[in-house]
Amino acid sequence: ILNVEQSPQSLHVQEGDSTNFTCSFPSSNFYALHWYRWETAKSPEALFVMTLNGDEKKKGRISATLNTKEGYSYLYIKGSQPEDSATYLCARRSNDYKLSFGAGTTVTVRA
Amino acid sequence: GAVVSQHPSWVICKSGTSVKIECRSLDFQATTMFWYRQFPKQSLMLMATSNEGSKATYEQGVEKDKFLINHASLTLSTLTVTSAHPEDSSFYICSASPGTGGFSSYEQYFGPGTRLTVT
Repeated sequence: ILNVEQSPQSLHVQEGDSTNFTCSFPSSNFYALHWYRWETAKSPEALFVMTLNGDEKKKGRISATLNTKEGYSYLYIKGSQPEDSATYLCARRSNDYKLSFGAGTTVTVRA
Repeated sequence: GAVVSQHPSWVICKSGTSVKIECRSLDFQATTMFWYRQFPKQSLMLMATSNEGSKATYEQGVEKDKFLINHASLTLSTLTVTSAHPEDSSFYICSASPGTGGFSSYEQYFGPGTRLTVT
């Protein structure tokens, strides 16, 4: 993998359902993996930063896992609510502290 | 805490004119600021990194004479798009990092972005 890739590009989920999506990234020169939540017309909001293989982070109903050996991270939303509708960005931080972003997964929660 | 503002939020300019975008850290001092550009359906692409009082470091393929970056204080960085052309129309977003030491200080805090349209 040469670039940071996110899949799917978009998804629709019924309110109350759980969902998850993927971020794949190059494992070489890896320093950290960031997840951001980005609502339209607002600033991207930092959700998680993970560094170690096997890291798991949780914030309310949202959680994330990290596999640095195979180069992927999952983000999970449990019991989706309309306010979870946003674009979720992942970014790989390399040793020089620069961030390389995926194109995002846009989540739409239907009431 | 860690709020970054960006101004303007959108701007329309005529081809050949210059446009300045401001990025301010409101409640912390930003040792390092970053400028990104995003084209439709694509990811945020890093354009340049600037440290207060130093010349910006541009990513490969980004014209430094076209995208002038000034980071004159610890709370303000500006991006000037000179002689703008329609192909410069894009979404520009900045981020700021305290970067004073320790892992968490290198977190980047983002502004809300600026939509530039060149006609």
